[in-house]
Amino acid sequence: GDSVTQMEGPVTLSEEAFLTINCTYTATGYPSLFWYVQYPGEGLQLLLKATKADDKGSNKGFEATYRKETTSFHLEKGSVQVSDSAVYFCALIGNSGGSNYKLTFGKGTLLTVNP
Amino acid sequence: DTGVSQDPRHKITKRGQNVTFRCDPISEHNRLYWYRQTLGQGPEFLTYFQNEAQLEKSRLLSDRFSAERPKGSFSTLEIQRTEQGDSAMYLCASSSIGGPGDEQYFGPGTRLTVT
Repeated sequence: GDSVTQMEGPVTLSEEAFLTINCTYTATGYPSLFWYVQYPGEGLQLLLKATKADDKGSNKGFEATYRKETTSFHLEKGSVQVSDSAVYFCALIGNSGGSNYKLTFGKGTLLTVNP
Repeated sequence: DTGVSQDPRHKITKRGQNVTFRCDPISEHNRLYWYRQTLGQGPEFLTYFQNEAQLEKSRLLSDRFSAERPKGSFSTLEIQRTEQGDSAMYLCASSSIGGPGDEQYFGPGTRLTVT
């Protein structure tokens, strides 16, 4: 079945540092890929997405590129802020077997940014 | 539009009791999903409705779990004879009918603690 593996946390950075959170996936066909974020005390929010190979999703300074050859969707940000402290989830929706609607999530990576 | 709402936000119950959670999706959304998230893990898919029809149930959903969406609007998730292993955050999400890249909007979740 489909699966997502993301780097284990927690990740602790200083403000303005560069962020990378690795994510790789296993799925048949051509899944859609997502990054969701969960800020403290809030619900899951979509951060960015990419629906086909080589697409780049971007939002709020975060970027991720859909790499089919390496089955990866790594999240990056050039300069993190304290307000980026949250849990980040990589996820996919597969498109095989008719289940093209359910999200499969990674375990999440806790990011803490210190001033 | 107030987003996806869930009620209650927290529920503490004793083992063996029945509990029911409610989810109100975004009003124009046809699709509704339930996920479960345990500590340190990403959300896991439980079940999915398109309008009032329940189209898929995960193997995670034992016979003690039942979900309904009687008029294609709000949904309820009932757990009978709760067990300590049912302690988790129960998340509801909704989306419009479209492609697999469509965003699922999540509610704040109901945190269940079984003592």
